[in-house]
Amino acid sequence: DTGVSQDPRHKITKRGQNVTFRCDPISEHNRLYWYRQTLGQGPEFLTYFQNEAQLEKSRLLSDRFSAERPKGSFSTLEIQRTEQGDSAMYLCASSPEGQETQYFGPGTRLLVL
Amino acid sequence: AQSVTQLGSHVSVSEGALVLLRCNYSSSVPPYLFWYVQYPNQGLQLLLKYTTGATLVKGINGFEAEFKKSETSFHLTKPSAHMSDAAEYFCAVSPFGNEKLTFGTGTRLTIIP
Repeated sequence: DTGVSQDPRHKITKRGQNVTFRCDPISEHNRLYWYRQTLGQGPEFLTYFQNEAQLEKSRLLSDRFSAERPKGSFSTLEIQRTEQGDSAMYLCASSPEGQETQYFGPGTRLLVL
Repeated sequence: AQSVTQLGSHVSVSEGALVLLRCNYSSSVPPYLFWYVQYPNQGLQLLLKYTTGATLVKGINGFEAEFKKSETSFHLTKPSAHMSDAAEYFCAVSPFGNEKLTFGTGTRLTIIP
């Protein structure tokens, strides 16, 4: 059990650029979640997958955000035309079928200049 | 809809003193409740959770929490604070478990030597 991994850990980009983050869940965890955490706040839910199916998306997830989990394993989160307000920590979590505990990765910290 | 309120964004206690972090929740269905801890620049680690059954739950590092339905509370306690307990603590609720978590805004715990 190597834990949830996220790549990159840090990303600095200029406003208007596109960025993509990757999350590798714990092996055989069929649920995968994305959260966003801004400074001084708790994580906010963005979206989650069961296997390759995206089951729910938050209203926070504007049209500039898209997430995929094509083979039910790793997931990517893309932000198009980044804005300064997108600066945050993006957290990924996974959980196995039928269990409540979500296991979090270390996060990707995004800074949009 | 679910929501979580954490009273006190900052709590300071002396080393060896009682730690009490407060959490109140709102849920339209029986809740699953969680406490997570976050160290600087890291992801979240589960401390403990309440699903069903015994209302007093014990977690890692000597922490425990009690689910009080009548008070809609799930306060986190530890009898004797240790320097290593300094971190940010988040309370979270999930309506059915294995679904999205709704987090509070967090409480930063400082331990005074």
